[in-house]
Amino acid sequence: EPEVTQTPSHQVTQMGQEVILRCVPISNHLYFYWYRQILGQKVEFLVSFYNNEISEKSEIFDDQFSVERPDGSNFTLKIRSTKLEDSAMYFCASRETSLEEAFFGQGTRLTVV
Amino acid sequence: EDQVTQSPEALRLQEGESSSLNCSYTVSGLRGLFWYRQDPGKGPEFLFTLYSAGEEKEKERLKATLTKKESFLHITAPKPEDSATYLCAVKERGTGNQFYFGTGTSLTVIP
Repeated sequence: EPEVTQTPSHQVTQMGQEVILRCVPISNHLYFYWYRQILGQKVEFLVSFYNNEISEKSEIFDDQFSVERPDGSNFTLKIRSTKLEDSAMYFCASRETSLEEAFFGQGTRLTVV
Repeated sequence: EDQVTQSPEALRLQEGESSSLNCSYTVSGLRGLFWYRQDPGKGPEFLFTLYSAGEEKEKERLKATLTKKESFLHITAPKPEDSATYLCAVKERGTGNQFYFGTGTSLTVIP
């Protein structure tokens, strides 16, 4: 069964460093998302991406964040200068154009120290 | 303002003891209501999409229903492997593609 794949599963980084989280969406899906979940809190929307551009972003998604689809299969989230409060699980999701539901990856646990 | 409120926050059931989880929503135009299951340290796993009041979906021991203000996830004769956090999310008509998630109900099924 097709699934969304995320790498790495866990990343530890020092405050101020740049990190890139990687995702391979399901192959025939055209909508891509990044969400995050701080420990014990709800899943929060960061950004959605369609047709090679950002379609929506939340207030959390400030200038420190960027997304890219560098090739036909990968979708990345870059955090330019990490802060302690960026520590969270980051989930990538994708969906087909004709359906409303999205399918999530297993997440990357980002720990900023 | 929360678009989605789930209750209870936590629920402990004996194996075989049926119950329901509640998700109430306040979006003005519902584009879809979604139920996901989340195991610890994992991503949300899609269960159901509901689009309009009166709609019902079933999968094994789970049944999701929808009214104009809330959705219920009914769990019939649960087993220990049903233990997980169940998340409800909505998409609002006219405001784009994002999902608004509730905080979830943590279900524990005791053998």
